Amino acid sequence: DAGVTQSPTHLIKTRGQQVTLRCSPKSGHDTVSWYQQALGQGPQFIFQYYEEEERQRGNFPDRFSGHQFPNYSSELNVNALLLGDSALYLCASHRDLTDTQYFGPGTRLTVL
Amino acid sequence: SQELEQSPQSLIVQEGKNLTINCTSSKTLYGLYWYKQKYGEGLIFLMMLQKGGEEKSHEKITAKLDEKKQQSSLHITASQPSHAGIYLCGASTGGYQKVTFGTGTKLQVIP
Repeated sequence: DAGVTQSPTHLIKTRGQQVTLRCSPKSGHDTVSWYQQALGQGPQFIFQYYEEEERQRGNFPDRFSGHQFPNYSSELNVNALLLGDSALYLCASHRDLTDTQYFGPGTRLTVL
Repeated sequence: SQELEQSPQSLIVQEGKNLTINCTSSKTLYGLYWYKQKYGEGLIFLMMLQKGGEEKSHEKITAKLDEKKQQSSLHITASQPSHAGIYLCGASTGGYQKVTFGTGTKLQVIP
């Protein structure tokens, strides 16, 4: 049973560009959350998707947007990249409101 | 908003020694998670605590949630190099499993 998978592993972009990160949840999970982890910090909640809609959002600007597909996989899009967007982006999935979240290996984004 | 403070921020111990990491919340904890992270990698779920006074163990790692549900501790017995990494506590807030994390405790175990 595959766990949470993310692609790509690493990504280098320049300021002003746009990026799309992808996540496939653990089998049986229907809810996907995205987190941003800056170096030396704990993960910060970006948003959560359930039934193809954004259900909850953290304190992130509209440049951060997402999507969930019918197969529960999800994308995170970031527009107009800033140097400060450089971070490890983590995807987590769970099955229902009380279930434990399981995390993917993350995508390391570097903005130059 | 809920804030989690972890202490110590970093820890270096000799292999075989015991250690404790603390996580203190600014609000009552309704669900407290402990995760382990290798540098630059994803988070590995260790344990979840929900009830005041609850204690759970997995191999040589024990986590407790105090009665007032505002502090948790993670204790490692007879540490090994494989225990090295960053330990993160997280609190679920609201009904949708949004998790607020502490800043982490970096553990190094010297052989």
